[in-house]
Amino acid sequence: DAKTTQPPSMDCAEGRAANLPCNHSTISGNEYVYWYRQIHSQGPQYIIHGLKNNETNEMASLIITEDRKSSTLILPHATLRDTAVYYCIAKNYGGSQGNLIFGKGTKLSVKP
Amino acid sequence: GAVVSQHPSRVICKSGTSVKIECRSLDFQATTMFWYRQFPKQSLMLMATSNEGSKATYEQGVEKDKFLINHASLTLSTLTVTSAHPEDSSFYICSATTDRNNEQFFGPGTRLTVL
Repeated sequence: DAKTTQPPSMDCAEGRAANLPCNHSTISGNEYVYWYRQIHSQGPQYIIHGLKNNETNEMASLIITEDRKSSTLILPHATLRDTAVYYCIAKNYGGSQGNLIFGKGTKLSVKP
Repeated sequence: GAVVSQHPSRVICKSGTSVKIECRSLDFQATTMFWYRQFPKQSLMLMATSNEGSKATYEQGVEKDKFLINHASLTLSTLTVTSAHPEDSSFYICSATTDRNNEQFFGPGTRLTVL
C-alpha cells in the first residue's frame, strides 16, 4: 500500500471548514484513498473513501487531485466533537482481505 | 447498522493471568476480523487477521502463542492474551469487514492494564 503523509496537527475554529491535507504521491492506480478518524480512547470511525472523483457524504467531502497524488478531507462546519486524529490511508479495494495500515495521522483540534 | 462491540471495555489483571477479549459484529456477518493494538500516543498497529473457520494470520513480531485468536463464527472473534505482563498493557481494538464492501467497522476498544 502506498505511504501517505499528513501534517501532525491542525487547529480549526468551531463552525469553520476544516481542510485536512494528505499526500500520497506513490499511490497506484487501483488504490483508493480512505479516511478514518479516532476520537480519544475510542475505536476508529470510517469517514469516506474515493478513487478518482470527488466524494461527499453526510460527514465530509473528499477532494482528490487529478493526478491522485494528494487529497483533502473537508469537514464543512467543524464542531468541538470533530476533535480527533484523522488518518488518511491508501488501500487496494479488494474483497475483505485488505487490512488498514495506520500512519500517525493529523490531530485536529477544533476550538471554540 | 454495521455495529461492532467489544467486551470488556476495560480490564485490570495481575501479571501472569490470561485475559479474553470478545469482538462481535452485531448486525452483519463478518468474514474477516482484524485485531489492532495501540500504545499511548501511538497509532494503531495490526496484530493479526482472522477469517472465520480458519487460523489467524499474525503480523511479524506478534507471538501467536501469546495472543490466541479464535474466529469461530461469522459474528464473533476472541483474542486471549495469555500470561499477561505489564508490557502487554495497551488499547486493543478489533474491526470487522464483509465481502460486500470495503469499510472496516471498528469496535470501541478494550483497555488492558496488567499490574
